[in-house]
Formats: sequence, C-alpha cells, structure tokens
Amino acid sequence: SQTIHQWPATLVQPVGSPLSLECTVEGTSNPNLYWYRQAAGRGLQLLFYSVGIGQISSEVPQNLSASRPQDRQFILSSKKLLLSDSGFYLCAWSENTGELFFGEGSRLTVL
Amino acid sequence: KNQVEQSPQSLIILEGKNCTLQCNYTVSPFSNLRWYKQDTGRGPVSLTIMTFSENTKSNGRYTATLDADTKQSSLHITASQLSDSASYICVVSPTVAGGFKTIFGAGTRLFVKA
Repeated sequence: SQTIHQWPATLVQPVGSPLSLECTVEGTSNPNLYWYRQAAGRGLQLLFYSVGIGQISSEVPQNLSASRPQDRQFILSSKKLLLSDSGFYLCAWSENTGELFFGEGSRLTVL
Repeated sequence: KNQVEQSPQSLIILEGKNCTLQCNYTVSPFSNLRWYKQDTGRGPVSLTIMTFSENTKSNGRYTATLDADTKQSSLHITASQLSDSASYICVVSPTVAGGFKTIFGAGTRLFVKA
C-alpha cells in the first residue's frame, strides 16, 4: 500500500533563517507531487506541483522553492524565511485518478 | 472564476445528532467532487468521491449528495460521534487527472459535544 511521510511535524524558525521540509512517498512510482499551504479559515493553496523528477511548477510567486531530486521525494525550501511564511504546510501525491493523498502536515512558525 | 463555497463556517452539535454540511461550486468543467475530513493538525483524508453522474455516495455514517444541475453538494453525518469533530472540506476537480487544478473550499468546522 502507498504511504506518504512528511517532516518535520513542527518547526519554529527565526526570520531570515533557511527552511527545508521533506516529503517522501512509498508504494507507488512516478506520482504527481504537491505542496500546499493552509491558512486558518482558508482553503488549501497550491504552492508547487511536480509531474516528474526535476519538473517543478509554481502556482504563486513567493519566497519558497521546491525540488524533486528523486521520483518519490519532494522538498520545500526557503533561503530566508519571512513572518508571512508561517502556516501549515501539506505535501500530497496523486495518480491518474486525481485523488489527492495528504501527508500529516508541518506546522511552521516564523518568529 | 472557479470557486467552492461551504456553509456553515462552523457548527456545534450534540453527540448522537445528525447534521448536514453544504457545498456550492462554480467550477467548470466538472469532473468530480470529493469530501475530505481533516482532524486538527493533521492532513485531510478522503471520505467520498462523486462524478457527474452520481447523486449519492455513502461511507459508513457519512452520506454525500450531488446535484450537478444546481452545482450543489451536501455531506450528511448520521448519529454523530465525538470523533467526528473535525473540518470537512469540499473539493472539486475540473479534470480527471492533474490534482493541480483541484479547487478547495475553506471547510466547515464541526464540533461534536457530549
């Protein structure tokens, strides 16, 4: 069966520090991978998606970047965090059915 | 503009009672509609999925309905339990493949009290 792992679960970082959130999927090949951000009381906002290794599409201009160094690994990064980067980040994967399977989420607080 | 709107924003019910959550969408074209349950601080988990031709879909005590003509969906929870306390998110996809086109509602926050 397929599983998705996302870490760290909680992160507190100072403004200007770097960020790295990692997500891995097991039990499937060549999945579509996604990073979402969820603000309180708002719908999930798609940040990045990837349909293959090294293929990254960005949905909104921002202070973040994403990379897919391996087929089932998706990384969300920032060189210098802003206060506005605080939020709940979700990694997800999908196959051809389009159904999204989410990780457990990462709570980022930038101070 | 493709949008998904949910109501109410939040709801408090007593354990054992039923409730119905609403979802209106303006997404076009339409492929499918899903309801997700999201526990606090966790990732969303799919409850039901319905395509254009389906009117109703059940998953245990959860029953989703879809009216593709009026572009409305509802999620009915029967005999609520404390563990039903969560956010329920309506999600609409305009295409079969490509989750990147999926549009999310803001969710309904359900509180079930003993």
